[in-house]
Amino acid sequence: DAGITQSPRHKVTETGTPVTLRCHQTENHRYMYWYRQDPGHGLRLIHYSYGVKDTDKGEVSDGYSVSRSKTEDFLLTLESATSSQTSVYFCAITGATEYEQYFGPGTRLTVT
Amino acid sequence: AQSVTQLDSQVPVFEEAPVELRCNYSSSVSVYLFWYVQYPNQGLQLLLKYLSGSTLVKSINGFEAEFNKSQTSFHLRKPSVHISDTAEYFCAVSAPGGGADGLTFGKGTHLIIQP
Repeated sequence: DAGITQSPRHKVTETGTPVTLRCHQTENHRYMYWYRQDPGHGLRLIHYSYGVKDTDKGEVSDGYSVSRSKTEDFLLTLESATSSQTSVYFCAITGATEYEQYFGPGTRLTVT
Repeated sequence: AQSVTQLDSQVPVFEEAPVELRCNYSSSVSVYLFWYVQYPNQGLQLLLKYLSGSTLVKSINGFEAEFNKSQTSFHLRKPSVHISDTAEYFCAVSAPGGGADGLTFGKGTHLIIQP
């Protein structure tokens, strides 16, 4: 297994509250990604990072921000959670070829 | 930009029968292709990848996929399925930029194995 952990694994929060999800890797790989998975939509890219302090937007970035202050950690923040952000969030890193990706176990977020 | 179409959202099949999960992609450049499997309440696991070389790629658990450039397809097949193959399967493509381009996923196919 790729050394990727996500925390928390489950979270319930109220509309309007800030939420931060953490992704931690032990592989020292350059690229890290945040996706959300929703029924009927597959996985959609939120943000990605190509190095410390280097990030860029993905397909569904509105309402989300990210930070990467260390190679091993990539944080996803919902500044003010909304019910439409109820989803399962997956972190991923690239493999040695930088083409395939390896996924963490996911975080199930419910916004009430 | 790339797009991926998985034509079937669900595929029911009896145990020990063959199965094919279809994947078609659209891209203006050459792509690399992947199949991922997601078991219930788990993350995605890489099942197969095509980067170059032989167009037929195989996994250790009996799945195979064939890259067909002319038909822009990368269908996944298994000659005899087992109950443990019940899962969601995702096809994905990556453009040559690799990490910077990321992966584009299809919406997934739920493989349901019936005893």
